[in-house]
Amino acid sequence: KQEVTQIPAALSVPEGENLVLNCSFTDSAIYNLQWFRQDPGKGLTSLLLIQSSQREQTSGRLNASLDKSSGRSTLYIAASQPGDSATYLCAVNEYGNKLVFGAGTILRVKS
Amino acid sequence: KAGVTQTPRYLIKTRGQQVTLSCSPISGHRSVSWYQQTPGQGLQFLFEYFSETQRNKGNFPGRFSGRQFSNSRSEMNVSTLELGDSALYLCASSYGTGNNQPQHFGDGTRLSIL
Repeated sequence: KQEVTQIPAALSVPEGENLVLNCSFTDSAIYNLQWFRQDPGKGLTSLLLIQSSQREQTSGRLNASLDKSSGRSTLYIAASQPGDSATYLCAVNEYGNKLVFGAGTILRVKS
Repeated sequence: KAGVTQTPRYLIKTRGQQVTLSCSPISGHRSVSWYQQTPGQGLQFLFEYFSETQRNKGNFPGRFSGRQFSNSRSEMNVSTLELGDSALYLCASSYGTGNNQPQHFGDGTRLSIL
């Protein structure tokens, strides 16, 4: 059974810092890995999708890497801003569109 | 382009009742998936529908069911509601299934059971 773990559970940083969120998964038989953010009371916003054959994806200040063999992914956020404060969720896509989610990292960026 | 629309946004029911939640996917998307989000269990997959067929089902009791219509709109139904069914129910749509397309989520329906 696939299990996804995210570390740390919560993170508080001053504005401008670069930061790394970690995600690990137990079964490497995945289609892709996706990173989402969730704001309070809202749904999920897709940030990056890394296909199983890819090593990384970039979008603006975000960079996500994938090491499928070791079951790890990282989300790097450069020059963090208060607007980045949210819960960040990692999910692996196993079959069809079934996503298995981690518990999330709650990020607070202080101004 | 309109996003994924879920109705209603909030719902209050009592134990033993049943409820139907609705999801309208992004235009052109044929896959709709449903998830339950609770503080204790996090986000858990309920089921996925593609072209009116259930493609995959999570580990939930038979009280949870769904369907998809020819216009790709989907509904999920929960019968004999229990207190533990209180959760945020999220719907996600995608153009296809298993083809590395990102999923787009609605803002959810918050269901409270009294």
